[in-house]
Amino acid sequence: TQLLEQSPQFLSIQEGENLTVYCNSSSVFSSLQWYRQEPGEGPVLLVTVVTGGEVKKLKRLTFQFGDARKDSSLHITAAQPGDTGLYLCAGIFRTGFQKLVFGTGTRLLVSP
Amino acid sequence: DADVTQTPRNRITKTGKRIMLECSQTKGHDRMYWYRQDPGLGLRLIYYSFDVKDINKGEISDGYSVSRQAQAKFSLSLESAIPNQTALYFCATSDPLAGAHNEQFFGPGTRLTVL
Repeated sequence: TQLLEQSPQFLSIQEGENLTVYCNSSSVFSSLQWYRQEPGEGPVLLVTVVTGGEVKKLKRLTFQFGDARKDSSLHITAAQPGDTGLYLCAGIFRTGFQKLVFGTGTRLLVSP
Repeated sequence: DADVTQTPRNRITKTGKRIMLECSQTKGHDRMYWYRQDPGLGLRLIYYSFDVKDINKGEISDGYSVSRQAQAKFSLSLESAIPNQTALYFCATSDPLAGAHNEQFFGPGTRLTVL
């Protein structure tokens, strides 16, 4: 069974601080996605990374895929209260069906 | 209007009752999924369907069944609910032609409590 571990599980910070969330596995991903889920809503896709070493930016969010495609990180610069939510990574470990395996999630709270 | 809708949004039921959760989508996607979310466990796949005639078990299908009534509708049933099925349930869709990496679109979720 492939497992995706996210850390930290919970993060509470003040507005304006920077943070990094990690997603790790012992297996190689063919690709990896990051989702954000707000209370009372379903997860919403933020980004997909495919190539080892790839870096993608979405405004203040920077996503990086590890060179060996076993890990990924999400860095938020100058966090804002609107960034509050549950961040989920989801990996595809093989081609074919492309079943998504979700990480355990990181709950972020940004206080004004 | 939401592309993926789920009904009901909240449900409280008793052990042993039969429950149906419904999902409808207007995205025109062939693939649909049912997940459950529990604190600290992320999202786990219950069932998935590639089209009306293709239904497959996910990693935690025991105690659940599904019906794909049409391309746009995918229902999840709990034949005899038990307390450890208390969770947040999500329906999702994807389009293998549009999303090369099976990117998924989620409904708002159904919060189910089994007493």
